[in-house]
Amino acid sequence: QVQLQESGPGLVKASETLSLTCTVSGGSISSYYWSWIRQSPGKGLEWIGHTYNSGSTNYNPSLKSRVTISVDTSKNQFSLKLNSVTAADTAVYYCARGAVFDFWGQGTLVTVSS
Amino acid sequence: QTVVTQEPSLTVSPGGTVTLTCASSTGAVTSGHYPNWFQQKPGQPPRALIYYTNNRHSWTPARFSGSLLGGKAALTLSGVQPEDEAEYYCLLYDGGARVFGGGTKLTVL
Repeated sequence: QVQLQESGPGLVKASETLSLTCTVSGGSISSYYWSWIRQSPGKGLEWIGHTYNSGSTNYNPSLKSRVTISVDTSKNQFSLKLNSVTAADTAVYYCARGAVFDFWGQGTLVTVSS
Repeated sequence: QTVVTQEPSLTVSPGGTVTLTCASSTGAVTSGHYPNWFQQKPGQPPRALIYYTNNRHSWTPARFSGSLLGGKAALTLSGVQPEDEAEYYCLLYDGGARVFGGGTKLTVL
């Protein structure tokens, strides 16, 4: 059974960079799309972007200038970096697998403080 | 950027049938948008229900079905159970990007 686990700081200061890692177990990261999605408190889901083919990426146009998603196949992990964060970036961040988002992590809350 | 619109809320009686829809600001939703549907309960991550318009995942109960209806993607729940009360999200492919709808809060009452 594939499992995904997000990790990273739960508190980030405004204007700094949010960095999260998703560790994949029970399967290889060398196939599939691997996505980041976020959910602001009490709000809906927002697709951030994905990586595929061991390094290709697509991003949400509204976040594209601030986002980098990368993959480390040796560690079976992929990562999210979001720079110049503001309070609007406070959210639960999820990682998910595949073109059909069949497996998800439990999510990690990241709070941006001023 | 494409905006994907869902009904904010719907109410259905136990045992009843309800259809949730998913519209695109760019025009009719087609199979080329590869509609996906997800269920989310409070405090939990989303769970995938339907992919590529009408395909159930192995864990998706048969009472959930997906389709295209009147230029929109649709999720129909037949024989609704109390545990189906949840938020439902659709997702559409928009070229290389993906766009979630705003979600439908389904109440079973």
